[in-house]
Amino acid sequence: AQKVTQAQTEISVVEKEDVTLDCVYETRDTTYYLFWYKQPPSGELVFLIRRNSFDEQNEISGRYSWNFQKSTSSFNFTITASQVVDSAVYFCALRDAGNNRKLIWGLGTSLAVNP
Amino acid sequence: DTAVSQTPKYLVTQMGNDKSIKCEQNLGHDTMYWYKQDSKKFLKIMFSYNNKELIINETVPNRFSPKSPDKAHLNLHINSLELGDSAVYFCASSLTGLAGGRETQYFGPGTRLLVL
Repeated sequence: AQKVTQAQTEISVVEKEDVTLDCVYETRDTTYYLFWYKQPPSGELVFLIRRNSFDEQNEISGRYSWNFQKSTSSFNFTITASQVVDSAVYFCALRDAGNNRKLIWGLGTSLAVNP
Repeated sequence: DTAVSQTPKYLVTQMGNDKSIKCEQNLGHDTMYWYKQDSKKFLKIMFSYNNKELIINETVPNRFSPKSPDKAHLNLHINSLELGDSAVYFCASSLTGLAGGRETQYFGPGTRLLVL
């Protein structure tokens, strides 16, 4: 069965600290896709990144970076030099390539970046 | 232009009432979804339509009925509202929704429903 675990329920950091949000997934499929979404206090869900299971290259986008490791079934998200605007709930999600159109969601990690 | 829009943004109503939430996407996508997010932020898929055809129908009370007049619209009608229906309801869309898994779902701003 598919599962996504975000073990960190809440994280609190001070501005400019680096912070890593963990995501561990379970799937029996060899082809699958992983996603990160951001939900700021305003409530909308914002797509951040999609990664397929055949591409283990790490991705960097500005202060955001993602570390995908199939060996540990993890897809961790790091924010470098965090800012107050990064305060949000971050969701990791998994979707396999079978005939299953559902996204399997983690429970989210609430990040508070304090000035 | 907003890619996925929902109306209303806020909905406060009494128990027992019937209400509808509308969703429209201008991305040219074939597949649309309804999610429910509870007070603990847990996201649960409710329904999905591909080109007006129902393709995902989770275990949802039959008081909830989706309707897709065309592939750009997916509305959610809720009969006999209950206190437990209070939540944020998100509409989303993806390009085709077909098997393959790679498609990104894009979300609307959410509708905050409060049942009193």
